[in-house]
Amino acid sequence: AQRVTQPEKLLSVFKGAPVELKCNYSYSGSPELFWYVQYSRQRLQLLLRHISRESIKGFTADLNKGETSFHLKKPFAQEEDSAMYYCALKGMDTGRRALTFGSGTRLQVQP
Amino acid sequence: SQTIHQWPATLVQPVGSPLSLECTVEGTSNPNLYWYRQAAGRGLQLLFYSVGIGQISSEVPQNLSASRPQDRQFILSSKKLLLSDSGFYLCAWRKGQGGNEKLFFGSGTQLSVL
Repeated sequence: AQRVTQPEKLLSVFKGAPVELKCNYSYSGSPELFWYVQYSRQRLQLLLRHISRESIKGFTADLNKGETSFHLKKPFAQEEDSAMYYCALKGMDTGRRALTFGSGTRLQVQP
Repeated sequence: SQTIHQWPATLVQPVGSPLSLECTVEGTSNPNLYWYRQAAGRGLQLLFYSVGIGQISSEVPQNLSASRPQDRQFILSSKKLLLSDSGFYLCAWRKGQGGNEKLFFGSGTQLSVL
């Protein structure tokens, strides 16, 4: 079975502070990891995927297979980063053709 | 370009009444389609997915069913709603595969069962 755990329901930081949204996964095979974001009054959308090793809006995430983690980080938070963030996993060794999402973390960036 | 439409946006239904939520995709063919439920504090739960017309995979046993009568149409239904069916329902389609895949979500339906 595959599972994604986001231990924090709410993370509140001040503008300019570093941000780390935690994501841990459980999967014995080869995973693909993603971060999705939902801004207020917008649709849920892809933020970044680990395979691309990209930085989007200043956010990065590194897959750590030893710790089974895919934490989302940003060195300096901005108010416009306030949103709901979901970590998601795709198990590549199974026939399951859908992502497994975590329960989400709401990020509040205060001025 | 591809777009995904989902309706209605909000729905209030009494317990025991039927349900039909519709999702359509434009600008692509033979998409993989998904129904998710977003419950408070529980994140996104996959309900159904479909890889083609008439092909439905159910993730969790429940009071709901799904159908795909046309290539770009995905319908979520129930014969008799329960209070526990309340939630925010999202339809999505997938572009790409594996680590390069990307889900595009609809705007969602807020269902309240009273």
